[in-house]
Amino acid sequence: DAGVIQSPRHEVTEMGQEVTLRCKPISGHDYLFWYRQTMMRGLELLIYFNNNVPIDDSGMPEDRFSAKMPNASFSTLKIQPSEPRDSAVYFCASSFAGRNEQYFGPGTRLTVT
Amino acid sequence: GEDVEQSLFLSVREGDSSVINCTYTDSSSTYLYWYKQEPGAGLQLLTYIFSNMDMKQDQRLTVLLNKKDKHLSLRIADTQTGDSAIYFCAVHYGGSQGNLIFGKGTKLSVKP
Repeated sequence: DAGVIQSPRHEVTEMGQEVTLRCKPISGHDYLFWYRQTMMRGLELLIYFNNNVPIDDSGMPEDRFSAKMPNASFSTLKIQPSEPRDSAVYFCASSFAGRNEQYFGPGTRLTVT
Repeated sequence: GEDVEQSLFLSVREGDSSVINCTYTDSSSTYLYWYKQEPGAGLQLLTYIFSNMDMKQDQRLTVLLNKKDKHLSLRIADTQTGDSAIYFCAVHYGGSQGNLIFGKGTKLSVKP
């Protein structure tokens, strides 16, 4: 199994630009999670989906953040417009119902200048 | 809300045992996990324990759970330099799959 795939691995952008992060979950997994990791706040759950439907987006920091899951094998996290305080590592993880352990992708390191 | 606490740093010598500790606040935990994060990588699931167990051993790893004290520990026997990483404790509180709360991680440094 290829594991959770994320792209890009690194993204550097200027303040005000739109950023799109991508994730392909493990085949057969029906839950998908987006996390943000910073030194100050640790690992924060932003949003998660079950069977492509958003279940809980209470962790999304602002309306500038949006996430979609158009099908079982693809999800995006978009930040528009981006700000320097959005700089962090963004992780995607997936799991399947009945097993709570989550499998993480390698992350996207976002730097907003 | 639920909280998971870990000490931030641990330093050991190669060949010694490492013990990483974690405390949590809610007794309704179901599964408890240990993840390992190496530099520049994602979190890798190491092991887990179900809340009705006291101990689980997997090769060099031993997980101990004290439900009364809400305390979880991970012991790494014969610690190697390759074990240097950040270790995260995570507690699942049942119900929704999203109820997985992570600690802030313990950075383990192994000195040769």
